[in-house]
Amino acid sequence: RKEVEQDPGPFNVPEGATVAFNCTYSNSASQSFFWYRQDCRKEPKLLMSVYSSGNEDGRFTAQLNRASQYISLLIRDSKLSDSATYLCVVNNNNDMRFGAGTRLTVKP
Amino acid sequence: EAQVTQNPRYLITVTGKKLTVTCSQNMNHEYMSWYRQDPGLGLRQIYYSMNVEVTDKGDVPEGYKVSRKEKRNFPLILESPSPNQTSLYFCASSPYREYTQYFGPGTRLTVL
Repeated sequence: RKEVEQDPGPFNVPEGATVAFNCTYSNSASQSFFWYRQDCRKEPKLLMSVYSSGNEDGRFTAQLNRASQYISLLIRDSKLSDSATYLCVVNNNNDMRFGAGTRLTVKP
Repeated sequence: EAQVTQNPRYLITVTGKKLTVTCSQNMNHEYMSWYRQDPGLGLRQIYYSMNVEVTDKGDVPEGYKVSRKEKRNFPLILESPSPNQTSLYFCASSPYREYTQYFGPGTRLTVL
């Protein structure tokens, strides 16, 4: 079993839709969590950190559920520019583990 | 401009010929890390460094070496490259214990 698992997708949604991704992790001692986005084999870029209480940044909301060991990302009012691969990242005592990514395509 | 740079960006080499991929950051970050990205596997951590002269193995360190003699530089060394090291490599840095990483543009390596 992979340490960090994501549904690879692809998720194809129309502009304006709300879409949610989940990510599960296996190490219950993991300390911190992040979502990154990656465009077409370019470098990953930090989208947001994920806090226990949940956090929001504009149209993006991240949640952490430690009991069930998953994190989620919700994107509201999808834009064409949101098309990318979304990577879930888990920090295990300085050892960073990435999910394989979920691909999102937003269509006009 | 705050950035992480990697060189070379593209490299084609042959089995067994030693190579070094350089990584440099200008943000005074303590934490630096190397990853490889392969289709279907996502990014996997090769080595990381918490600070100068402090390095640790990540998930897939076999066949790689690193050094951290200066805070800004973290080169990745392949002493004897093999075809299974053909991959896209990323260097990243972050402030101490924040782990909000800034990535370099990537190095696409092909080993024939």
